Formats: sequence, structure tokens, C-alpha cells
Amino acid sequence: GAVVSQHPSWVICKSGTSVKIECRSLDFQATTMFWYRQFPKQSLMLMATSNEGSKATYEQGVEKDKFLINHASLTLSTLTVTSAHPEDSSFYICSATGTGPNNEQFFGPGTRLTVL
Amino acid sequence: EDKVVQSPLSLVVHEGDTVTLNCSYEVTNFRSLLWYKQEKKAPTFLFMLTSSGIEKKSGRLSSILDKKELSSILNITATQTGDSAIYLCAVLPASNTGKLIFGQGTTLQVKP
Repeated sequence: GAVVSQHPSWVICKSGTSVKIECRSLDFQATTMFWYRQFPKQSLMLMATSNEGSKATYEQGVEKDKFLINHASLTLSTLTVTSAHPEDSSFYICSATGTGPNNEQFFGPGTRLTVL
Repeated sequence: EDKVVQSPLSLVVHEGDTVTLNCSYEVTNFRSLLWYKQEKKAPTFLFMLTSSGIEKKSGRLSSILDKKELSSILNITATQTGDSAIYLCAVLPASNTGKLIFGQGTTLQVKP
């Protein structure tokens, strides 16, 4: 089956630093990748849609200058949390869709970000 | 605005009980409804439902879609402690963006 990986699986950083999270589709080409964040005991909140070779589309209320998304190839998208603050601490999950008719999304294992 | 609502938000049962989780939606141009199970990490896929009235089954889990009522249910029979998780319902509209609209999730706890 389709596999999506994320790296790192967890990261702790100091307030004010930037953190980059990678999302890779390992055995398929992902035309579209999605970035979500999830707070404890809550559902997934879509942050942005990332299409290879074009600018990401951000959801309302998500600061594009704070959450930089780059989708440079069909197998890799990165999310950079710039000048991270404690309120950015969350579980970040990416998903990827291939080119099949059902647009099925395959989820990565998530990255736990803790900002001190 | 497209919306997916799940109920209940949380549920505590004992092993062996049967549970029914609900999902209702208001979406322009519906394509399919998906159920996911989330434990400690990212969601794992359970079912995709596109047609009304056709039950999908996998072991003790089953799900059905009612397009007239704009809803779906997920049933788990003979629950086990390993069923404890957040169950997420998501709807995929027919647009080409591929964006899923998630409900709030139902947190199920199965006690021994």
C-alpha cells in the first residue's frame, strides 16, 4: 500500500527558533499533500493544501508567513514553523493523494512539536 | 459552509458492548464519506462509503451511508480494549481539491 513518512517524529525546540518537518510519499507520486495540526483530544484541522510546483493554499486563519510550505517534488513537501512559540506546540500530520480515481489520502505518522 | 458533525463526542463502554457512532454532514456536491481510527499516531483508514444503503464490513466493524439523511454510522460489536481510540469521520466533496472535511471525532474508551 501507499506509504507516507514524516521526519522528525518528534521535536523539542526553544521559543523563537524555526523547525522544519518533512513529509515524503515513499512509493507513489503525490500530486497533492495536505498539512494538518491536531491539538489533544481534538480533530484534525487542515492548515494548507500543497501542490507540487505551485504555492500552497492556506486555510482561513493560518498565517502563511509563519507556516512555510514547500512542495518541490512529487514525493516531498516540507512545513517550516518559523519563530515558533509555545502555542505552536501541537501534533502536525501530513497526508498525500496520488492520482487514483478516489483521491484517497494516505496519512503520515505525524510529528509532535513541543516549543519550550 | 461545508460541515461534518459527529456524535457522541466521547463514549465509555465495557468490553463486549456494542457501540454506534454517528456522523452527519452538510456538504455541497458530496463524493464520499470516510471513517478513520486514530490511536497514538496518524489516522488509519477504515472505510470509504460512496453509495447509500450498502454496508461495508471489516471484522467487528461495519458502516453504512444514508444519503437521504446525510449521515453515516459506524458500528463496533463485541468491543475490546484495543478499540479505544478517536474515530474520525470525514467527507470528500466532489471538487478536485481533494480536501477532506473532518468531524470533531468521537473518543471511545473501552474498559476491561
